[in-house]
Amino acid sequence: AQKITQTQPGMFVQEKEAVTLDCTYDTSDQSYGLFWYKQPSSGEMIFLIYQGSYDEQNATEGRYSLNFQKARKSANLVISASQLGDSAMYFCAMRDNTNAGKSTFGDGTTLTVKP
Amino acid sequence: DVKVTQSSRYLVKRTGEKVFLECVQDMDHENMFWYRQDPGLGLRLIYFSYDVKMKEKGDIPEGYSVSREKKERFSLILESASTNQTSMYLCASSFLTSDTRRLNSPLHFGNGTRLTVT
Repeated sequence: AQKITQTQPGMFVQEKEAVTLDCTYDTSDQSYGLFWYKQPSSGEMIFLIYQGSYDEQNATEGRYSLNFQKARKSANLVISASQLGDSAMYFCAMRDNTNAGKSTFGDGTTLTVKP
Repeated sequence: DVKVTQSSRYLVKRTGEKVFLECVQDMDHENMFWYRQDPGLGLRLIYFSYDVKMKEKGDIPEGYSVSREKKERFSLILESASTNQTSMYLCASSFLTSDTRRLNSPLHFGNGTRLTVT
């Protein structure tokens, strides 16, 4: 069974600073995908970034990057130059590569950006 | 742009009622999912489907059933609503992920239905 652990229920960061949100995972599969989603207070879930288990480079998307350490089974999200609009809940998720690609989610981290 | 539409944003139902939550996607996605979201518990998978008329149980299927008669529509049914089913329900869709071209295909979510059972 797959499991995602996010150990930080809440995080604070000063505007314009960088922040790392932790995610560790557990799986016996060799092939899997890791995703980060953002959920603002309005409720919609927004896809941020993807890392495949065989990708050798860390994924980057604008101000988002993923610090992928496969041996340690961690996939931390780094947000650079935080903005007030980054305040939201962030979910780490793992998807297996079967037909349906079920995704397992962590409990989420609430990030608050302070002006 | 992918659109996943959930029929209701807010619903209030009474204990014992039969409740239907509807979800429609317009991107020809094979996969569709129903999650419930509760504070401190993240998102938990109720049911999913990777083809018309196909359904698979997720992690918490008890008290729920689903229907997928058309590719674009996935319905969640609470046969007899109970107060412990008060929650936010999120529908999502994605491409079939066994296609290697789609390995990085994320979930696309609807805006959610906040269901209160009294």
